[in-house]
Formats: sequence, structure tokens, C-alpha cells
Amino acid sequence: AQTVTQSQPEMSVQEAETVTLSCTYDTSENNYYLFWYKQPPSRQMILVIRQEAYKQQNATENRFSVNFQKAAKSFSLKISDSQLGDTAMYFCAFTLLTGNQFYFGTGTSLTVIP
Amino acid sequence: NAGVTQTPKFRILKIGQSMTLQCTQDMNHNYMYWYRQDPGMGLKLIYYSVGAGITDKGEVPNGYNVSRSTTEDFPLRLELAAPSQTSVYFCASSYSRLRTGVAGQPQHFGDGTRLSIL
Repeated sequence: AQTVTQSQPEMSVQEAETVTLSCTYDTSENNYYLFWYKQPPSRQMILVIRQEAYKQQNATENRFSVNFQKAAKSFSLKISDSQLGDTAMYFCAFTLLTGNQFYFGTGTSLTVIP
Repeated sequence: NAGVTQTPKFRILKIGQSMTLQCTQDMNHNYMYWYRQDPGMGLKLIYYSVGAGITDKGEVPNGYNVSRSTTEDFPLRLELAAPSQTSVYFCASSYSRLRTGVAGQPQHFGDGTRLSIL
């Protein structure tokens, strides 16, 4: 079975500071993709960043970067220079290379404090 | 740039009533999904479809039905509404490649439907 665990239900960070959101997952497969999605209070889910499991280089998208540790099955998201607009629920997810489904964690609610 | 469109945005139902949540996408995606999100929880997959005429159960399919007669539309039907179905429902779609399916392709989500069963 595929599972995703986000152990931090809530986090807060001061504006302009850096914060790291944790995610671990479990799968017996070797090839998969990992994602971080953002869900602002407006509710629409937005893709933040994507990582291919076969790539050792960590993905980056502007202020967002990941720390992908395949052996540890860990996929954390780092947000640098936090902005008020980063306040949202963040979901970690993955899909198998040969799968049709996405597996989501329970989310981390991030609040950026002015 | 409509993307994934869900209607209605809000609905209140009485126990035992039925309704259909509509979902349509204009990106020609083969894969479509229905999730429910309960307060403080992640997304749980209800049903998904890999193409017109093909549907499969997800993690929590009981009490729901789906159909996929066209690539664009993927309605979700509640036949006998129960309080346990109070939730926010999200529809999503993904592009798929011939050999690798949906792998690596992000999901595009609708704005959600907030449904209350009283």
C-alpha cells in the first residue's frame, strides 16, 4: 500500500523567514513522482513543485525547493523568504510511474505572520 | 482558460435526497478524479476515470456513483444523501501519456463544492 505522512498539522513562520515542511511516504516501488500542492483559503489546489524519483537533483521553483531523500523516503519542502501569500494548506502527494492514482498526505497548515 | 469547472459551489441537502455534482474540463485530459476533503484531513479518492467509458473505484466509493460518457465531463452522483457525506468535493484532471499514463503529470483541480447534508 502507498501512504503519505505529514507529521506537522500546523506551522507558522515570520514573514521573510525560511520554513521547512516535512513529508514521508511509503512505497515498495522504485519509480514514482512526488508533488507539493498548495491550497489557499480560496480552496483551489495549486501545484507548487514536482520531483522525479529517478533524479537525484532536488527540484527548485523560485522560493520553493525540496530536499528529496529517496533512501529515507523523505520529501520536505523549503519555502525561503516567506510571504503573506504563502499562507495556505500544503499537501504532499505522489504517484507511481505506472499508476493511475495520486496519494495525498493530510496536509500542513502554514501561517505566515507579518 | 477555464480548466476544471465544478458546479455548484455550495449545496445543502436533506438526508435521503439525491444530487449530481458536475465537473467538466476543457484541457482534453483523459484522466479525471473525484476527491472528498473532510475538515482537517487530506484528500480521499472516491472514483477516477482513465477515459470515456472507463471508471474505477477509489478509496471511499460507497454511497457514490460516477459516469464518463465524454472526455470533458465526469459527474458524481449521490443517491441517498447521508450526514457522513458532508464534505468538500474536488474534481481533478490529468494529462496522460501513452506509455507512462499519468505519472509525472500534475493534477488540475476545480474550485470545489461544499456540500452539507442536514
